Amino acid sequence: EAGVAQSPRYKIIEKRQSVAFWCNPISGHATLYWYQQILGQGPKLLIQFQNNGVVDDSQLPKDRFSAERLKGVDSTLKIQPAKLEDSAVYLCASSLGDGQFYEQYFGPGTRLTVT
Amino acid sequence: GDSVTQMEGPVTLSEEAFLTINCTYTATGYPSLFWYVQYPGEGLQLLLKATKADDKGSNKGFEATYRKETTSFHLEKGSVQVSDSAVYFCALRGGSNYKLTFGKGTLLTVNP
Repeated sequence: EAGVAQSPRYKIIEKRQSVAFWCNPISGHATLYWYQQILGQGPKLLIQFQNNGVVDDSQLPKDRFSAERLKGVDSTLKIQPAKLEDSAVYLCASSLGDGQFYEQYFGPGTRLTVT
Repeated sequence: GDSVTQMEGPVTLSEEAFLTINCTYTATGYPSLFWYVQYPGEGLQLLLKATKADDKGSNKGFEATYRKETTSFHLEKGSVQVSDSAVYFCALRGGSNYKLTFGKGTLLTVNP
């Protein structure tokens, strides 16, 4: 079974530029998550989708971050404009469903460096 | 809100040494507890989990027991290998909400 795919794996941009990340979840997984992992910290949930609807985006900085999951499969996360503090690894995860007992499967992440 | 505190790293051990990484949590309700591992250049992988008090999760020689009385979920392994070198994250889910809440991670380096 193919895992969660993410691209690109690495991205370097200058502050105030824009960037987009792509995620392809495991086939059949209805729930998709985007996490931000700053160096030295644990991952923090940015947004959660159930199919193509947003379940939780309470920690997404909506003035600069946006995400969509058209057709309930692939998802993109965009930052516009980027700030230095956005340098982090962005992890995508998926699960069969929402709820405490559904395991989340993580992709390899995209490492963003903002200079 | 929910929170997880795990021991600061880095932890450096020799091969075949005993490993303990401490993890304590604060949560309402009855959360599930997890240990994830992140190998260099890879995403997080679920290492083990426990869903109720006194459950013991185990995998690949690692163990952790859900202790509700001490709100702890310490990770142990009797004999570490070089291939165990990674960052280990303690996490919980299902306290006040269904979000996965992670600790800061502990870097383990095992030397031959």
